[in-house]
Amino acid sequence: EFRLVESGGNLVAPGGSLRLSCAASGFIFRNYEMNWVRQAPGKGLEWISYIGRGGSPIYDADSVRGRFTISRDNARNSLYLQMNNLRVEDTAVYYCAGGWFDFWGQGTLVTVSS
Amino acid sequence: QSVVTQPPSASGTPGQRVTISCSGSRSNVGTKDVYWYQHLPGTAPKLLIYKNDQRPSGVPNRFSGSKSGTSASLAISGLRSEDEADYYCATWDDSLSGRVFGGGTKLTVL
Repeated sequence: EFRLVESGGNLVAPGGSLRLSCAASGFIFRNYEMNWVRQAPGKGLEWISYIGRGGSPIYDADSVRGRFTISRDNARNSLYLQMNNLRVEDTAVYYCAGGWFDFWGQGTLVTVSS
Repeated sequence: QSVVTQPPSASGTPGQRVTISCSGSRSNVGTKDVYWYQHLPGTAPKLLIYKNDQRPSGVPNRFSGSKSGTSASLAISGLRSEDEADYYCATWDDSLSGRVFGGGTKLTVL
C-alpha cells in the first residue's frame, strides 16, 4: 500500500526557513516521480514542485521558484522541500504526492506569521 | 488565477448526472493529458480519472472523463450524497513548464 507521511510543518516568521520531509513506504520509491502540492486556507490545490525518479528533472511553479528547493534521497525513501524566504502567502497545508498525484500524504501545515 | 478554468460550483440532486468542465488552451488541455481528483475536507485528494478518460481500479464507473479540443469534462452519474466534495482537474502546461491544477469546483448534492 502506498504510504506517504509529511513532517516539518510549523509556525515561522516571514523571511524564515523551513524544511519539509515526506517519508515513503509500501512501494518502490525510486520508481516514482514526486511532487509537492499546497492548499492555502480557503483556496484550491496548487502544484509547486516536481522531481524526477533519479532527482531530475526538477520543475517549480513561478510562485516558489528561487525560494523553494525540492530534493529526494532514494536510499532513505524520502522527499524534501527546503523553503527559504517564506512569505505570509506561503501559509498552507503542504502535501507530497507521487506520480501524476496518484497517491498523497495527509499533509503538514505551514504557517507564516509574525 | 489558474490557466485552466473550472466553474467554482456545481450542484445536483441524488440520482442525477452532473458534469464539471475544465477549460484551457493549446499549451495545456488541448495537447496534454488531463487528470481529475476528488478532495473531501480534511482528507488527502483522491485520483478519479487519469489520462483523460481512464479510471483507476476502485473508482466507481459512475465517474467518467472525456476531452475534446481545449476542454475536458468529468461526469458523475447516479449522484450520491457522498459525492459532495471539491473536484480538480490537472494537466501539464508547456508555457509554464509545469503542472497546473484548475481552480476547483465545489459540488453540492441538494
